[in-house]
Amino acid sequence: DIQMTQSPSSLSASVGDTVTITCRASQSIRIFLNWYQQKSGTAPKLLIRVASSLQSGVPSRFSGSGSGTDFTLTISGLQPEDFATYYCQQSYSTPITFGQGTRLEIK
Amino acid sequence: EVQLVESGGGVGQPGGSLRLSCSASGFIFSSYNMNWVRQAPGKGLEWVSYIASSGDSIYYADSVKGRFTISRDNAKNSLYLQMNSLRDEDTAVYYCARVLSQDPGDKDFQHWGQGTLVSVSS
Repeated sequence: DIQMTQSPSSLSASVGDTVTITCRASQSIRIFLNWYQQKSGTAPKLLIRVASSLQSGVPSRFSGSGSGTDFTLTISGLQPEDFATYYCQQSYSTPITFGQGTRLEIK
Repeated sequence: EVQLVESGGGVGQPGGSLRLSCSASGFIFSSYNMNWVRQAPGKGLEWVSYIASSGDSIYYADSVKGRFTISRDNAKNSLYLQMNSLRDEDTAVYYCARVLSQDPGDKDFQHWGQGTLVSVSS
Protein backbone atom coordinates (compact mmCIF):
# COMPACT_ATOMS: atom_id res chain seq x y z
CA ASP A 1 0.00 0.00 0.00
CA ILE A 2 1.13 3.55 -0.67
CA GLN A 3 1.55 5.58 2.50
CA MET A 4 0.81 9.31 2.38
CA THR A 5 2.48 11.56 4.95
CA GLN A 6 1.44 15.17 5.39
CA SER A 7 3.29 17.89 7.23
CA PRO A 8 2.71 19.74 9.36
CA SER A 9 -0.16 18.08 11.21
CA SER A 10 -1.35 21.49 12.32
CA LEU A 11 -0.56 25.03 11.38
CA SER A 12 -1.47 28.44 12.79
CA ALA A 13 -1.59 31.40 10.45
CA SER A 14 -3.20 34.80 10.04
CA VAL A 15 -5.54 36.17 7.41
CA GLY A 16 -3.44 37.31 4.48
CA ASP A 17 -0.58 34.88 5.13
CA THR A 18 0.73 32.41 2.61
CA VAL A 19 0.96 28.82 3.82
CA THR A 20 2.32 25.62 2.36
CA ILE A 21 1.33 22.07 3.23
CA THR A 22 3.41 19.16 2.03
CA CYS A 23 2.48 15.60 1.20
CA ARG A 24 4.93 12.79 0.61
CA ALA A 25 4.12 9.42 -0.93
CA SER A 26 5.98 6.26 0.03
CA GLN A 27 6.58 5.52 -3.66
CA SER A 28 6.17 7.39 -6.90
CA ILE A 29 2.58 8.24 -7.76
CA ARG A 30 3.52 10.35 -10.76
CA ILE A 31 1.04 13.25 -10.62
CA PHE A 32 -1.91 11.29 -9.23
CA LEU A 33 -2.35 13.40 -6.13
CA ASN A 34 -5.50 15.19 -5.01
CA TRP A 35 -6.11 17.78 -2.31
CA TYR A 36 -9.33 18.12 -0.30
CA GLN A 37 -10.59 20.73 2.13
CA GLN A 38 -12.87 19.71 4.98
CA LYS A 39 -14.68 22.07 7.29
CA SER A 40 -16.02 20.88 10.61
CA GLY A 41 -19.12 18.74 10.30
CA THR A 42 -19.16 18.73 6.52
CA ALA A 43 -18.03 16.43 3.74
CA PRO A 44 -14.65 16.98 2.10
CA LYS A 45 -14.40 19.16 -0.99
CA LEU A 46 -12.09 18.37 -3.89
CA LEU A 47 -9.81 21.37 -4.46
CA ILE A 48 -7.03 20.16 -6.73
CA ARG A 49 -6.60 17.00 -8.77
CA VAL A 50 -3.62 15.49 -10.58
CA ALA A 51 -1.29 17.57 -8.44
CA SER A 52 -1.97 20.99 -9.90
CA SER A 53 -5.35 21.15 -11.65
CA LEU A 54 -7.67 23.51 -9.80
CA GLN A 55 -11.26 22.39 -9.66
CA SER A 56 -13.92 24.67 -11.07
CA GLY A 57 -15.03 27.27 -8.56
CA VAL A 58 -11.96 26.95 -6.34
CA PRO A 59 -10.28 30.33 -5.78
CA SER A 60 -6.98 30.91 -7.57
CA ARG A 61 -5.22 31.54 -4.25
CA PHE A 62 -5.05 27.75 -3.99
CA SER A 63 -2.31 26.05 -5.98
CA GLY A 64 -0.68 22.66 -6.07
CA SER A 65 2.58 21.35 -7.36
CA GLY A 66 4.82 18.31 -7.35
CA SER A 67 5.32 14.94 -8.95
CA GLY A 68 6.74 11.59 -8.05
CA THR A 69 6.74 11.47 -4.26
CA ASP A 70 6.69 15.09 -3.10
CA PHE A 71 3.78 17.48 -3.40
CA THR A 72 2.72 20.83 -2.01
CA LEU A 73 -0.50 22.74 -1.51
CA THR A 74 -0.05 26.49 -1.24
CA ILE A 75 -2.67 28.99 -0.16
CA SER A 76 -1.68 32.55 -0.98
CA GLY A 77 -3.40 35.29 0.97
CA LEU A 78 -5.41 33.28 3.49
CA GLN A 79 -9.06 34.17 3.82
CA PRO A 80 -11.21 33.47 6.89
CA GLU A 81 -13.07 30.71 5.04
CA ASP A 82 -9.81 28.84 4.38
CA PHE A 83 -9.35 27.75 7.97
CA ALA A 84 -10.13 24.06 7.75
CA THR A 85 -8.45 20.67 7.56
CA TYR A 86 -6.69 19.66 4.36
CA TYR A 87 -6.05 16.13 3.12
CA CYS A 88 -3.98 14.76 0.31
CA GLN A 89 -5.06 11.57 -1.45
CA GLN A 90 -3.24 9.39 -3.93
CA SER A 91 -5.32 8.29 -6.92
CA TYR A 92 -2.52 6.24 -8.46
CA SER A 93 -3.50 2.82 -7.23
CA THR A 94 -5.84 0.83 -5.04
CA PRO A 95 -6.05 0.84 -2.07
CA ILE A 96 -6.69 4.56 -2.27
CA THR A 97 -4.97 6.28 0.63
CA PHE A 98 -5.19 9.67 2.30
CA GLY A 99 -2.72 11.68 4.28
CA GLN A 100 -3.49 12.12 7.96
CA GLY A 101 -4.63 15.70 7.46
CA THR A 102 -3.32 19.19 8.23
CA ARG A 103 -5.43 21.38 10.46
CA LEU A 104 -5.10 25.05 9.53
CA GLU A 105 -6.05 27.31 12.43
CA ILE A 106 -6.32 31.03 12.90
CA LYS A 107 -3.44 32.57 14.82
CA GLU B 1 -27.49 18.99 -9.38
CA VAL B 2 -25.70 15.90 -8.12
CA GLN B 3 -27.12 14.65 -4.84
CA LEU B 4 -25.99 11.74 -2.70
CA VAL B 5 -27.99 10.88 0.38
CA GLU B 6 -26.79 8.20 2.77
CA SER B 7 -29.01 6.35 5.20
CA GLY B 8 -28.94 3.30 7.41
CA GLY B 9 -26.51 4.43 10.04
CA GLY B 10 -27.13 3.96 13.72
CA VAL B 11 -25.98 1.87 16.62
CA GLY B 12 -24.73 -1.62 15.88
CA GLN B 13 -23.46 -4.21 18.31
CA PRO B 14 -19.99 -5.71 18.11
CA GLY B 15 -20.29 -8.72 15.85
CA GLY B 16 -23.54 -7.40 14.45
CA SER B 17 -24.58 -6.06 11.07
CA LEU B 18 -25.77 -2.85 9.47
CA ARG B 19 -26.62 -1.98 5.89
CA LEU B 20 -25.93 1.48 4.56
CA SER B 21 -27.62 2.92 1.49
CA CYS B 22 -26.77 5.86 -0.72
CA SER B 23 -29.47 7.28 -2.96
CA ALA B 24 -28.15 9.15 -5.98
CA SER B 25 -29.81 11.73 -8.18
CA GLY B 26 -28.95 14.45 -10.66
CA PHE B 27 -26.69 12.29 -12.84
CA ILE B 28 -26.63 9.02 -14.75
CA PHE B 29 -25.77 6.75 -11.83
CA SER B 30 -24.93 3.75 -13.99
CA SER B 31 -22.11 5.67 -15.68
CA TYR B 32 -19.98 6.40 -12.62
CA ASN B 33 -17.77 4.43 -10.27
CA MET B 34 -18.74 4.86 -6.64
CA ASN B 35 -16.93 4.60 -3.33
CA TRP B 36 -17.46 4.51 0.41
CA VAL B 37 -15.12 6.60 2.58
CA ARG B 38 -15.29 6.75 6.36
CA GLN B 39 -14.07 9.06 9.08
CA ALA B 40 -13.79 7.98 12.70
CA PRO B 41 -14.63 10.68 15.27
CA GLY B 42 -11.88 13.27 15.33
CA LYS B 43 -9.79 11.30 12.85
CA GLY B 44 -8.85 11.47 9.18
CA LEU B 45 -10.39 10.05 6.05
CA GLU B 46 -10.18 6.34 5.25
CA TRP B 47 -11.21 4.86 1.92
CA VAL B 48 -13.36 1.77 2.48
CA SER B 49 -14.52 0.34 -0.84
CA TYR B 50 -14.95 0.92 -4.57
CA ILE B 51 -17.37 -0.43 -7.12
CA ALA B 52 -17.19 0.12 -10.85
CA SER B 53 -20.09 1.64 -12.75
CA SER B 54 -21.29 -1.77 -13.97
CA GLY B 55 -20.53 -3.49 -10.68
CA ASP B 56 -18.03 -5.83 -12.29
CA SER B 57 -15.01 -4.56 -10.39
CA ILE B 58 -14.87 -4.21 -6.62
CA TYR B 59 -12.10 -3.35 -4.17
CA TYR B 60 -11.91 -3.15 -0.38
CA ALA B 61 -9.58 -1.75 2.21
CA ASP B 62 -7.81 -4.51 4.14
CA SER B 63 -9.49 -3.28 7.33
CA VAL B 64 -12.94 -4.32 6.05
CA LYS B 65 -12.16 -7.10 3.59
CA GLY B 66 -14.20 -10.21 4.30
CA ARG B 67 -16.63 -8.31 6.53
CA PHE B 68 -18.11 -5.58 4.32
CA THR B 69 -19.77 -5.97 0.92
CA ILE B 70 -20.33 -3.14 -1.52
CA SER B 71 -23.07 -3.39 -4.13
CA ARG B 72 -25.17 -1.21 -6.34
CA ASP B 73 -28.54 -1.27 -8.07
CA ASN B 74 -28.31 0.91 -11.14
CA ALA B 75 -32.03 0.59 -11.78
CA LYS B 76 -32.69 2.14 -8.36
CA ASN B 77 -29.80 4.65 -8.51
CA SER B 78 -28.55 3.25 -5.24
CA LEU B 79 -25.28 2.20 -3.65
CA TYR B 80 -25.06 -0.09 -0.64
CA LEU B 81 -22.61 -1.20 2.00
CA GLN B 82 -23.42 -4.36 3.93
CA MET B 83 -21.41 -4.28 7.13
CA ASN B 84 -21.06 -7.58 9.02
CA SER B 85 -18.98 -8.64 12.01
CA LEU B 86 -18.89 -5.05 13.23
CA ARG B 87 -15.99 -3.94 15.40
CA ASP B 88 -15.52 -0.95 17.69
CA GLU B 89 -13.08 0.50 15.16
CA ASP B 90 -15.81 0.63 12.51
CA THR B 91 -17.38 3.53 14.39
CA ALA B 92 -17.29 6.43 11.93
CA VAL B 93 -19.21 8.70 9.64
CA TYR B 94 -19.61 6.86 6.35
CA TYR B 95 -19.71 8.89 3.15
CA CYS B 96 -20.63 7.72 -0.30
CA ALA B 97 -18.57 9.47 -2.94
CA ARG B 98 -18.88 9.74 -6.71
CA VAL B 99 -15.84 10.14 -8.86
CA LEU B 100 -15.29 13.14 -11.09
CA SER B 101 -15.67 11.58 -14.51
CA GLN B 102 -16.80 8.50 -16.38
CA ASP B 103 -13.18 7.45 -16.91
CA PRO B 104 -12.96 3.85 -15.65
CA GLY B 105 -9.78 4.65 -13.74
CA ASP B 106 -11.05 7.81 -12.07
CA LYS B 107 -10.36 7.89 -8.33
CA ASP B 108 -11.02 11.60 -7.75
CA PHE B 109 -13.88 12.08 -5.31
CA GLN B 110 -15.80 15.03 -6.69
CA HIS B 111 -19.19 14.55 -5.05
CA TRP B 112 -19.91 13.45 -1.49
CA GLY B 113 -23.00 12.75 0.50
CA GLN B 114 -23.59 14.29 3.91
CA GLY B 115 -22.53 11.11 5.66
CA THR B 116 -24.25 8.71 8.01
CA LEU B 117 -22.93 7.90 11.48
CA VAL B 118 -22.31 4.31 12.48
CA SER B 119 -21.62 3.66 16.15
CA VAL B 120 -20.56 0.21 17.24
CA SER B 121 -21.29 -0.27 20.87
CA SER B 122 -22.71 -2.86 23.20
